Amino acid sequence: DAGVTQSPTHLIKTRGQHVTLRCSPISGHKSVSWYQQVLGQGPQFIFQYYEKEERGRGNFPDRFSARQFPNYSSELNVNALLLGDSALYLCASSLAGSNQPQHFGDGTRLSIL
Amino acid sequence: AQTVTQSQPEMSVQEAETVTLSCTYDTSESDYYLFWYKQPPSRQMILVIRQEAYKQQNATENRFSVNFQKAAKSFSLKISDSQLGDAAMYFCAYRSGGADGLTFGKGTHLIIQP
Repeated sequence: DAGVTQSPTHLIKTRGQHVTLRCSPISGHKSVSWYQQVLGQGPQFIFQYYEKEERGRGNFPDRFSARQFPNYSSELNVNALLLGDSALYLCASSLAGSNQPQHFGDGTRLSIL
Repeated sequence: AQTVTQSQPEMSVQEAETVTLSCTYDTSESDYYLFWYKQPPSRQMILVIRQEAYKQQNATENRFSVNFQKAAKSFSLKISDSQLGDAAMYFCAYRSGGADGLTFGKGTHLIIQP
């Protein structure tokens, strides 16, 4: 079975631009979460979506938004990019329930010039 | 807000020996879950082991086991018979029973010496 897939693998943008990152969950997983991992740090929670509704949000500005589609895939959008947005963006999917482990994709490496 | 602290930025162990990685957390909740994830240079986060707070028995997965001390809010990972493939960043993570996202520690870089 395919794992969590994310695209693109790498992305280079300049300050002020916007970016869209994509994630396809493991088949059967209806919950998708997004994390930002700055170099040398642990991942930080951005959003959780379940059944196409936002179920949780971390401490990130409104420049960050996301949505989940009927097929449970998800997009993370970031507007007005800042140098500090340079990071590895990880997507994770899981079955319903907080006891269910999250399975991560390989991430998208975003570099802001 | 919950916090997760990993006090060892880096640990080194000889191949075939045992190593313990430390993790403490702070929470006022009684219903939560704890996880250890491994992130090799390939960067994919891989689940190593998980523990439900309501279970007193420590979780084990082959060479990996945890020492869960709920009163002390401590959740250490023991790796027995260390192998070269165990070399990676190890992250301790907390998740509320309310099913929000994971809160991660800063990680411990584990080096396996042949």
